[in-house]
Amino acid sequence: GQSLEQPSEVTAVEGAIVQINCTYQTSGFYGLSWYQQHDGGAPTFLSYNALDGLEETGRFSSFLSRSDSYGYLLLQELQMKDSASYFCAVTRGGGYNKLIFGAGTRLAVHP
Amino acid sequence: GAVVSQHPSWVICKSGTSVKIECRSLDFQATTMFWYRQFPKQSLMLMATSNEGSKATYEQGVEKDKFLINHASLTLSTLTVTSAHPEDSSFYICSATSGTYEQYFGPGTRLTVT
Repeated sequence: GQSLEQPSEVTAVEGAIVQINCTYQTSGFYGLSWYQQHDGGAPTFLSYNALDGLEETGRFSSFLSRSDSYGYLLLQELQMKDSASYFCAVTRGGGYNKLIFGAGTRLAVHP
Repeated sequence: GAVVSQHPSWVICKSGTSVKIECRSLDFQATTMFWYRQFPKQSLMLMATSNEGSKATYEQGVEKDKFLINHASLTLSTLTVTSAHPEDSSFYICSATSGTYEQYFGPGTRLTVT
């Protein structure tokens, strides 16, 4: 089978740093992606890790450890607009790059 | 670039009728399109994978006769919910990819079956 685990909710204040963890169990693992979704909106791509290590894109960074089946999304200098749901998703092999999503983490940023 | 549209954005239909949802990639050719279903405050559940000119591949537990998928061209895929019932009410989202790991999501279609 396959499963992804991430915290259901995280709360932080503006300007802070937040780390959202994701552990996964799956066969045919190609990589780990992170998507952001605001209420009522479409998911938008944030990052992708296929290899171990840290990927940095502006205020957001993502990390992957394939040996530990673990990754995280790091959000720095939090802003109110960062309040959203964040999903980790595993890209499975076997063609077509299918995504299997975790349950999502709702991030609430307060002043 | 990489814009995906969906139509309609919301639809209300009566139980027993069928509803068609369109997904279009506006500025790129999508080798593969995916259809997801999302209930409020829940995750995206992959329903099926669609490739142009071939039959869709459905995930386990998804009824292929109820959720008809047609991928007529490299820019258009449609999902038809046949004989809809209230339990089919949900947010349906499509995504498209040109073969890379990144998927581009449409804005979603909110279906309400009364």
